[in-house]
Amino acid sequence: AQRVTQPEKLLSVFKGAPVELKCNYSYSGSPELFWYVQYSRQRLQLLLRHISRESIKGFTADLNKGETSFHLKKPFAQEEDSAMYYCALSKSGGSYIPTFGRGTSLIVHP
Amino acid sequence: DVKVTQSSRYLVKRTGEKVFLECVQDMDHENMFWYRQDPGLGLRLIYFSYDVKMKEKGDIPEGYSVSREKKERFSLILESASTNQTSMYLCATTSGMNTGELFFGEGSRLTVL
Repeated sequence: AQRVTQPEKLLSVFKGAPVELKCNYSYSGSPELFWYVQYSRQRLQLLLRHISRESIKGFTADLNKGETSFHLKKPFAQEEDSAMYYCALSKSGGSYIPTFGRGTSLIVHP
Repeated sequence: DVKVTQSSRYLVKRTGEKVFLECVQDMDHENMFWYRQDPGLGLRLIYFSYDVKMKEKGDIPEGYSVSREKKERFSLILESASTNQTSMYLCATTSGMNTGELFFGEGSRLTVL
């Protein structure tokens, strides 16, 4: 069975500080991994996916198959980054049934 | 842009009432999902559907049923609402091409008294 673990419920930092939101997964096959974000009073939306290998809003995430991790990082946090972040996993190929972590609330203080 | 619309943003119901939550999408997506979002528990999959009249149970289907009579519409039904079903309900869609990205509705916040 596939599983996604986000060990931190809450992450609180000051503006300009580096941010790392942790995500570990458990899956025997080849996974596709995503980060979704939900800003206050907005719908949940895709932030980035590992296959794109892109930086969105200054965030990056690297898939580490050895450590089964997909941590989300940003070198300098901004107040507008405050949001709820969810890591998600789906199978590569085959039927698409995404599994989500429990989420990490990021608060960036001025 | 994909639009996923959940008709009811806020509902207050009494224990034992039947509740319908509707979700409509306008992008001809095959796959539709209902999730429940609770603080500290994340998103949990209730039911999903790959096609019209097709449905599959997710991780927490107990107390819920679904209906997909048309491709664009996926309804979540609580036959007899209970207080532990007070939650935020999210509908999501994705195309059958397994593109990976889920498109979410704004959510329906249900309170059961």
